[in-house]
Amino acid sequence: DTEVTQTPKHLVMGMTNKKSLKCEQHMGHRAMYWYKQKAKKPPELMFVYSYEKLSINESVPSRFSPECPNSSLLNLHLHALQPEDSALYLCASSRGQPSLNQPQHFGDGTRLSIL
Amino acid sequence: AQSVTQLDSQVPVFEEAPVELRCNYSSSVSVYLFWYVQYPNQGLQLLLKYLSGSTLVKGINGFEAEFNKSQTSFHLRKPSVHISDTAEYFCAVSGGGSQGNLIFGKGTKLSVKP
Repeated sequence: DTEVTQTPKHLVMGMTNKKSLKCEQHMGHRAMYWYKQKAKKPPELMFVYSYEKLSINESVPSRFSPECPNSSLLNLHLHALQPEDSALYLCASSRGQPSLNQPQHFGDGTRLSIL
Repeated sequence: AQSVTQLDSQVPVFEEAPVELRCNYSSSVSVYLFWYVQYPNQGLQLLLKYLSGSTLVKGINGFEAEFNKSQTSFHLRKPSVHISDTAEYFCAVSGGGSQGNLIFGKGTKLSVKP
């Protein structure tokens, strides 16, 4: 079982809907990440949080809005998404500050489909 | 800028045969290297990592990798594969650039046939 839990596992939404993806970890990690993965492609970094503060935003469109309410939780709020946003959204965490030599632990992802 | 090249997009192999998945990287600074495995409909699982020290790194599920600085390679090997090893394998590098940012290769699909 993965130690990073993502809900829901699957989500289908229309382009006008508002929904949220959730990620939770109880390993005491203080860095958390959102990735987007299209089919047969590697994950692409979207956001990085360090000690509950946004430290990296990789030029992600504003229709994706991250939130880190506490050290264990990470949300991704979705609004007015486009069909090309359909993908697997992965959450990851790592110990301490985002560090070059700390491995990231991934959840199983939320598979998002935009109608 | 750093980059990772996985030379084979697909590797078919028979069960109990040895396998090598190739990974080359480019970087002008010290690097940390990782191999991750992704089973169907799952997230990424860390197989092994090279941070420093011994260039031969042993990981989970019988996998190992060797860091070769002169050839800028970090190839993944397993002496005898099982059907259950069928998955996508990603090589990744971190170092320089955005803090904590992993640069992934495009992935290698390992298909183990009976």
